Amino acid sequence: DAKTTQPTSMDCAEGRAANLPCNHSTISGNEYVYWYRQIHSQGPQYIIHGLKNNETNEMASLIITEDRKSSTLILPHATLRDTAVYYCIVRDRTGANNLFFGTGTRLTVIP
Amino acid sequence: DSGVTQTPKHLITATGQRVTLRCSPRSGDLSVYWYQQSLDQGLQFLIQYYNGEERAKGNILERFSAQQFPDLHSELNLSSLELGDSALYFCASSVAGVRALKQETQYFGPGTRLLVL
Repeated sequence: DAKTTQPTSMDCAEGRAANLPCNHSTISGNEYVYWYRQIHSQGPQYIIHGLKNNETNEMASLIITEDRKSSTLILPHATLRDTAVYYCIVRDRTGANNLFFGTGTRLTVIP
Repeated sequence: DSGVTQTPKHLITATGQRVTLRCSPRSGDLSVYWYQQSLDQGLQFLIQYYNGEERAKGNILERFSAQQFPDLHSELNLSSLELGDSALYFCASSVAGVRALKQETQYFGPGTRLLVL
């Protein structure tokens, strides 16, 4: 799986959009971008994934650049409950199924 | 609630002992994955089972073993425990977990916190 680079930490004001960037410059054509988050030692929670088109679900939006070398996870209206470590993972659909978690971005939502 | 259940939630034991962690996957999921999260190593993949058979191995110690039963629940056995085995152990499940299938999102359970004294 391609390596990803994320900022170590970010702050966001409550009610504002949280934009979490991820660089995956070595991504290949069949690799998907997945986002998970982990809230204080709970089990990692799946958020969203995409291949090349932008994706949106009830939790977040995923914006992938045209060259696919980076992406941004957007939480449109951050709440205190969104404080967590966010992991960007690049996975090959046809390869091994285990997830490689890097260090992620610790997002703190501030009241 | 992901639909994946793990028991026990907490486990305290002594060095040299053996423990068994249990995981029940989401209904319909055939694959089970085990991950370890320690303070200094982050989340690391240990092993995957698919429909009762071992499918992939990660950084799993020889003192650790796992199995998946016909009802698809899985157990992770940790033996000759050392202080460094203290960690959170997560189980995840997915629909199939085989190559080139459409749905491979993994859903995680709440974890078992193991403390070895």
